[in-house]
Amino acid sequence: AQSVTQLDSHVSVSEGTPVLLRCNYSSSYSPSLFWYVQHPNKGLQLLLKYTSAATLVKGINGFEAEFKKSETSFHLTKPSAHMSDAAEYFCVVSDYDNAGNMLTFGGGTRLMVKP
Amino acid sequence: GAGVSQTPSNKVTEKGKYVELRCDPISGHTALYWYRQSLGQGPEFLIYFQGTGAADDSGLPNDRFFAVRPEGSVSTLKIQRTERGDSAVYLCASSSGLAGGVETQYFGPGTRLLVL
Repeated sequence: AQSVTQLDSHVSVSEGTPVLLRCNYSSSYSPSLFWYVQHPNKGLQLLLKYTSAATLVKGINGFEAEFKKSETSFHLTKPSAHMSDAAEYFCVVSDYDNAGNMLTFGGGTRLMVKP
Repeated sequence: GAGVSQTPSNKVTEKGKYVELRCDPISGHTALYWYRQSLGQGPEFLIYFQGTGAADDSGLPNDRFFAVRPEGSVSTLKIQRTERGDSAVYLCASSSGLAGGVETQYFGPGTRLLVL
């Protein structure tokens, strides 16, 4: 069985400072991992994904995440927060099997960016 | 091109009524997923279609929930005898279904269901 724990339900940063959203996962196989972002009243948008290639994954809007198998972590970072980054972020794990790749979502982290 | 679309965007119904929620996936995508997102939580898997068949319906909470995809494109999620606890945002996602591995799923904007 797979699961995801997002360690912070809320994170608040000032504009221009670094962002760190923490995620730990549990998976029986070699997982694929994703970060999705959800802006208010908008659909989920893929930020980045890891699928067993390079452990440091670069995504859109300056976000990146590092897969650390020994720590079972996949933390999301950004060097400098922008006001438009304020949203809900979901860490997601997937184990592919013959029945497809069901996504398991974490509980989400709400990122607030202060001017 | 067009993304995943869902209709209606909002649905208000009364307890005990029947509702249908529609999902139109990205053209050519053979894999289609339904998820449910309750307030303040992450989405939870409901059902997965590959083509016309439900390959995995292990996430459906009970037999009041049913989904179909008769022609392998549009899907309808059907909820009978709605209960207040069914209130949530219902999300649909699609992927190409051709990669033979983990694929990126593209999500629609969701249908917000409120059961009074």
